[in-house]
Amino acid sequence: TQLLEQSPQFLSIQEGENLTVYCNSSSVFSSLQWYRQEPGEGPVLLVTVVTGGEVKKLKRLTFQFGDARKDSSLHITAAQPGDTGLYLCAGVDRGSTLGRLYFGRGTQLTVWP
Amino acid sequence: NAGVTQTPKFQVLKTGQSMTLQCAQDMNHNSMYWYRQDPGMGLRLIYYSASEGTTDKGEVPNGYNVSRLNKREFSLRLESAAPSQTSVYFCAGGPGQVYGYTFGSGTRLTVV
Repeated sequence: TQLLEQSPQFLSIQEGENLTVYCNSSSVFSSLQWYRQEPGEGPVLLVTVVTGGEVKKLKRLTFQFGDARKDSSLHITAAQPGDTGLYLCAGVDRGSTLGRLYFGRGTQLTVWP
Repeated sequence: NAGVTQTPKFQVLKTGQSMTLQCAQDMNHNSMYWYRQDPGMGLRLIYYSASEGTTDKGEVPNGYNVSRLNKREFSLRLESAAPSQTSVYFCAGGPGQVYGYTFGSGTRLTVV
């Protein structure tokens, strides 16, 4: 059972376009994390959102956590080729003291010059 | 550099062979994790360890064993490799909920 559904699975856009990646679940999470992964490397944490309704900005990236803490979105403004990579959302299990993560399947983003 | 170090980076095994994937972290984290990543499947948790000497099963533990002998090191063992275990394996450590996890660069394993 996939707890987190990410969409779209693939996204291919031109430099300068805007895009949004969605991460949805029927489960409530204590927090949600977004990672970016490049070929041959492990995922690297971009941001953690903790509070329902929270919005965080990281330069051209805007992350939002849903009010009910079941979903999240990542919006990139004026995408650049350097944004190319696999974007993963991960929900932190509300019932786990360890902060166990459940990952979505990822969105492969390609930005063409 | 601080982080998580995995060895080896690449490995090819024959069906039935055994091997141990090594992972070491120098961030003084209590929690460590082993994930596997397959195309279109995301990252799935194999085993995790809350602290030295403790381990627990994740989503896909069958065919694997782990060992957490000290705070730094968390190893993953395949006793009898099967083609279904062909995957990229990631080790991670971290404080968890707020500050996220640090992943190693992965071990790409092929079982033929």
